[in-house]
Amino acid sequence: EPEVTQTPSHQVTQMGQEVILRCVPISNHLYFYWYRQILGQKVEFLVSFYNNEISEKSEIFDDQFSVERPDGSNFTLKIRSTKLEDSAMYFCASSLDRTDYGYTFGSGTRLTVV
Amino acid sequence: AQSVTQPDIHITVSEGASLELRCNYSYGATPYLFWYVQSPGQGLQLLLKYFSGDTLVQGIKGFEAEFKRSQSSFNLRKPSVHWSDAAEYFCAVVPSGGSYIPTFGRGTSLIVHP
Repeated sequence: EPEVTQTPSHQVTQMGQEVILRCVPISNHLYFYWYRQILGQKVEFLVSFYNNEISEKSEIFDDQFSVERPDGSNFTLKIRSTKLEDSAMYFCASSLDRTDYGYTFGSGTRLTVV
Repeated sequence: AQSVTQPDIHITVSEGASLELRCNYSYGATPYLFWYVQSPGQGLQLLLKYFSGDTLVQGIKGFEAEFKRSQSSFNLRKPSVHWSDAAEYFCAVVPSGGSYIPTFGRGTSLIVHP
């Protein structure tokens, strides 16, 4: 069964450093998403991406965050200057259509900022 | 304010016992409703969804959920739990007529005793 792949599974970074989280969505999917879950809190929407541009973003997704689809397969989330409060599990997801709520999620990247 | 609430952070059941996980929402109109499961080390997987029609929805892995408009609830049930059901369960909501992006609850961790 097709799956969404996220790398790395766990990343530790120093505060102030840039970090890039990588995702390979399902090949025929057109919509891509990033969510995050701070430990013990809700899974929060960050951003959706379609046709090489952001289609929606939340208030969490400020200027420190950016997304990119650098080639035909990868979808990345960059945090420019990490803060302690960015420590969370980050989930990538993809879907064929934006009303196709059967999102396929990756297994997540646990980001720890020290 | 619009929200989705999972009041139970942890639920412990014995294998073979029945299960009910609670989800309540606060939206003006009936939203689209979903349950996802996250097994350890895995991504979120869609269990079932409700858009309209029959208020009892069947999903994968023997799960079902019942939409109750009067209680603004969408509780997940399983008649007999297996040890492999131990996981994190997330209720999610998409407001009808609004953004297509699901809003997730904080999750309920299911612990299954032998």
